[in-house]
Amino acid sequence: QSALTQPPSASGSPGQSVTISCTGTSSDVGGYNHVSWYQQHPGKAPKLLIYEVTKQPSGVPDRFSASKSGNTASLTVSGLQPEDEADYYCTSYAGSSNFVVFGGGTKLTVL
Amino acid sequence: EVQLVQSGAEVKKPGESLKISCKGSGYTFANYWISWVRQMPGKGLEWMGKIYPADSATRYSPSFQGQVSISVDKSISTAYVQWSGLKASDTAMYYCVKHYTIYVMEVWGQGTTVTVSS
Repeated sequence: QSALTQPPSASGSPGQSVTISCTGTSSDVGGYNHVSWYQQHPGKAPKLLIYEVTKQPSGVPDRFSASKSGNTASLTVSGLQPEDEADYYCTSYAGSSNFVVFGGGTKLTVL
Repeated sequence: EVQLVQSGAEVKKPGESLKISCKGSGYTFANYWISWVRQMPGKGLEWMGKIYPADSATRYSPSFQGQVSISVDKSISTAYVQWSGLKASDTAMYYCVKHYTIYVMEVWGQGTTVTVSS
């Protein structure tokens, strides 16, 4: 069982928006602004999409945005494109004992 | 270009030892944490631990403490993770990741597949 809870799957049609949630506790997501999101295509290494809750590395399309409310972080993919079909993982700093925790991952299908 | 290049796939027997590597280039290797992340077949990502090359400070996930050892040789910009007695359950893809800040894992290596089977 993963420390952070994500829905196993999500889907949307091209052009639509999809939001993926990531629920933790006050000891991780809710306690720190150190939530990151990663995209992983099959057979590939993960790629950083979002860090520090809302920030985007250069080169990441603006279609990817994120937010946090309480113990739940969210990733929104707007204007879905076929290449967005991938697994998405959230992660959070979890204090000096656990350091880093991942969500279980969400498989996004573009219908 | 910042790059992490990992060592090649390994096939080992239970009980054997193993050390896999991750070589960084394109940045000042000593100044950025390196994490190791496990992905078991068909499963999600699990953080194992991290090391700061400048002083070899390490932090381990409670789930991996005592199960693996993370080390570094900053003179050759290379980080390692090693096992002293592999189990079948260690079969997985292992990624090294360069940090952007202490909290943010930024650039990923290509992964090293480890297969443990009798």
